[in-house]
Amino acid sequence: NAGVTQTPKFQVLKTGQSMTLQCAQDMNHEYMSWYRQDPGMGLRLIHYSVGAGITDQGEVPNGYNVSRSTTEDFPLRLLSAAPSQTSVYFCASSYGFNSNQPQHFGDGTRLSIL
Amino acid sequence: AQTVTQSQPEMSVQEAETVTLSCTYDTSESDYYLFWYKQPPSRQMILVIRQEAYKQQNATENRFSVNFQKAAKSFSLKISDSQLGDAAMYFCAYMGQGGSEKLVFGKGTKLTVNP
Repeated sequence: NAGVTQTPKFQVLKTGQSMTLQCAQDMNHEYMSWYRQDPGMGLRLIHYSVGAGITDQGEVPNGYNVSRSTTEDFPLRLLSAAPSQTSVYFCASSYGFNSNQPQHFGDGTRLSIL
Repeated sequence: AQTVTQSQPEMSVQEAETVTLSCTYDTSESDYYLFWYKQPPSRQMILVIRQEAYKQQNATENRFSVNFQKAAKSFSLKISDSQLGDAAMYFCAYMGQGGSEKLVFGKGTKLTVNP
């Protein structure tokens, strides 16, 4: 039982490059989301999905794109990386609000933009 | 929009003693969940405890307990018999109604446990 798997764990990009952070879960969770964690800021929601084919913006969506073609996968795309996107990124998944089950987090991706 | 405030950026406690981490939140909703997450240096996000707003009884998980004051919008975490392994960042988080599973986090409290 792998849970939530994020790849890669570390990445360095140059300004202007594009990249996709991968997130996969094997628990058949409907809900998936992406957060970024910056020093002193806690975690902030970037985008989320309530099911395959449905996505919506969170608190800090600018510069990021998502899609949800399958229940298992929820990739996060940086279209043109900027130094302000240097952060640790977490993917999370869960069954739903009334399921009495907690959210599962991946181990994070540390991304540096030079 | 909901907000979560953790007013203590850093706290320290002696091993085997008790420490309380503070959290306040702002919401107009009547039904919601509150959480405490632990993040050790390994960067994992570990759920410590959760509280349903409709339950008056405070949640407990072994050495961890909360003091949930709904009217005051306060949700503090008490760690009893502190252990070296409790050293970590602790985040308070809020999840509202609507079924979107969106978490709103506080900025965190760094807990140091002194031997």
